[in-house]
Amino acid sequence: SQTIHQWPATLVQPVGSPLSLECTVEGTSNPNLYWYRQAAGRGLQLLFYSVGIGQISSEVPQNLSASRPQDRQFILSSKKLLLSDSGFYLCAWSVGGGDIQYFGAGTRLSVL
Amino acid sequence: AQSVTQLGSHVSVSEGALVLLRCNYSSSVPPYLFWYVQYPNQGLQLLLKYTSAATLVKGINGFEAEFKKSETSFHLTKPSAHMSDAAEYFCAVKYPGGSNYKLTFGKGTLLTVNP
Repeated sequence: SQTIHQWPATLVQPVGSPLSLECTVEGTSNPNLYWYRQAAGRGLQLLFYSVGIGQISSEVPQNLSASRPQDRQFILSSKKLLLSDSGFYLCAWSVGGGDIQYFGAGTRLSVL
Repeated sequence: AQSVTQLGSHVSVSEGALVLLRCNYSSSVPPYLFWYVQYPNQGLQLLLKYTSAATLVKGINGFEAEFKKSETSFHLTKPSAHMSDAAEYFCAVKYPGGSNYKLTFGKGTLLTVNP
């Protein structure tokens, strides 16, 4: 069966520090991968998605970047964190046309 | 712009009462529609989906949703709430002709179940 792993679960970082969040999927090949940010009362905002290794689509201009160095690995990064980067970050995957997305447990990031 | 609206950011019901969570979409063409549930500090889990087959869709945990084209709605219901239903619920849409990879989520409805 397929599983998705995100780590760390919780992260506290100072303003201006770098960020690296990792997501890996097991049990499937060539998944579509997604990074979302969730802010209270604002639903989920799609940040990036990827349909293959090295293929990244950015949905909103921001202080973040994403990379997909391997088929089932998706990384969210920042060179210098801002206070506004705080939030709950969710990784998800789908196959084919992406009708159903399956989510990881999320990373709660606090930038202080 | 095409969007999905969840009416009511917070719904409170008593245990055993009817649960009704509202979702409306904006599109001239019926989209694919989904309901997800999120328990505290967890990811989202799919409850059910509508993809132009039967208009009444049954999901997990006793939830169901009815697609009504005339009302552009896809409300989520459960006849009798249980304490374990307390969570945040998200309606999501995938629009025909749009990106094959994108879901648009509503802002969520937090369901509280009182004993």
